[in-house]
Amino acid sequence: NAGVTQTPKFQVLKTGQSMTLQCAQDMNHEYMSWYRQDPGMGLRLIHYSVGAGITDQGEVPNGYNVSRSTTEDFPLRLLSAAPSQTSVYFCASSYPRWPRNTGELFFGEGSRLTVL
Amino acid sequence: TQLLEQSPQFLSIQEGENLTVYCNSSSVFSSLQWYRQEPGEGPVLLVTVVTGGEVKKLKRLTFQFGDARKDSSLHITAAQPGDTGLYLCAGARQGPTDSWGKLQFGAGTQVVVTP
Repeated sequence: NAGVTQTPKFQVLKTGQSMTLQCAQDMNHEYMSWYRQDPGMGLRLIHYSVGAGITDQGEVPNGYNVSRSTTEDFPLRLLSAAPSQTSVYFCASSYPRWPRNTGELFFGEGSRLTVL
Repeated sequence: TQLLEQSPQFLSIQEGENLTVYCNSSSVFSSLQWYRQEPGEGPVLLVTVVTGGEVKKLKRLTFQFGDARKDSSLHITAAQPGDTGLYLCAGARQGPTDSWGKLQFGAGTQVVVTP
């Protein structure tokens, strides 16, 4: 029972480097999203997707790109890392909320990113 | 600006004591969820409340949704060390034209229960 799998769990980057955080889910969820968690700020939505080929911006999208080529995978790309992107990143998936259910989010274990 | 305000930010109590965490907003939500997060892990859903005035119980945890659906509280009776964690509330505003109702999270309340 894998659920939502994120890789890597830890990563250190230098300013200006690029990288991709991987996210895969095996629950056939249509909805997938990326959040970042910073102390005192809670979880903030970066990007989300409601199905393969469909993505949209969340609350803090700048500096990040996403794509959704399959139902299972939703990678998050940092194009040119900045120290302000030091954070813990969570991928989460869900069934659609309305009117089927109230949309429990299933989270991965997180990816801790440090940008020097 | 945090749409959902949680209080207190930090709570440290002894085993056996009671505690209450609050989640307040000026906005109306169609549903509100509570998650618990432990170190090194992602948040895990505890409960979803959808009806104004609704009260749900999960063993020693009692959740209430305000009548106006703008606020919620989590009460833990006789807290145990296993209740230690970061408690997050999350609200969804959705309707027929917004089938994906993005969740807005509060900043969280860190609860520490010592033996």
